[in-house]
Amino acid sequence: GAGVSQSPSNKVTEKGKDVELRCDPISGHTALYWYRQSLGQGLEFLIYFQGNSAPDKSGLPSDRFSAERTGGSVSTLTIQRTQQEDSAVYLCASSLTPGNTIYFGEGSWLTVV
Amino acid sequence: AQSVTQLGSHVSVSEGALVLLRCNYSSSVPPYLFWYVQYPNQGLQLLLKYTSAATLVKGINGFEAEFKKSETSFHLTKPSAHMSDAAEYFCAVSDTGTASKLTFGTGTRLQVTL
Repeated sequence: GAGVSQSPSNKVTEKGKDVELRCDPISGHTALYWYRQSLGQGLEFLIYFQGNSAPDKSGLPSDRFSAERTGGSVSTLTIQRTQQEDSAVYLCASSLTPGNTIYFGEGSWLTVV
Repeated sequence: AQSVTQLGSHVSVSEGALVLLRCNYSSSVPPYLFWYVQYPNQGLQLLLKYTSAATLVKGINGFEAEFKKSETSFHLTKPSAHMSDAAEYFCAVSDTGTASKLTFGTGTRLQVTL
């Protein structure tokens, strides 16, 4: 597509449920990133995929968070046993290669009730 | 480790007035620096970036920023504010080694008044 596409755009879930957030990067972009934007924490790096290399998971806040990228394209961020503090906007981004401009999607708004 | 400090979480200017949004960085290696804008309920859009070429960088919508190594600053300016500039602005840094992860500042919300 023309830009980074994320789904769902909004998700309300009950505490303790698992959620999956999907990201479709710009076609041909080898690098894919997940960030989280929440009140009081600003924009936080979560995870970074580059080609077939092992992902940089250094920003994942706990082992309840995981992400995968299938076929070097679409990525799914999974949050298990959601907690209220997981409520945030989850932003996906991609770039042609590391060092090129990073383009962001519009985000998935997650509310845990 | 890299970090970015944005002074002023809220800035208010009159339409037609100068916009100045401050950003100071800390980096142990030569940095790449970025300004992103976020309009309400939208994602982040790149305004401009510095990648060690010209120190004065021009971006979209009439914005520009100057890299000043001696001051470790990368302030964003626009000569004349428009109502449509009202948004949140984020400064970010990545190191030239990995150029893969952005570290963001806490953002500055710009209000433009008549």
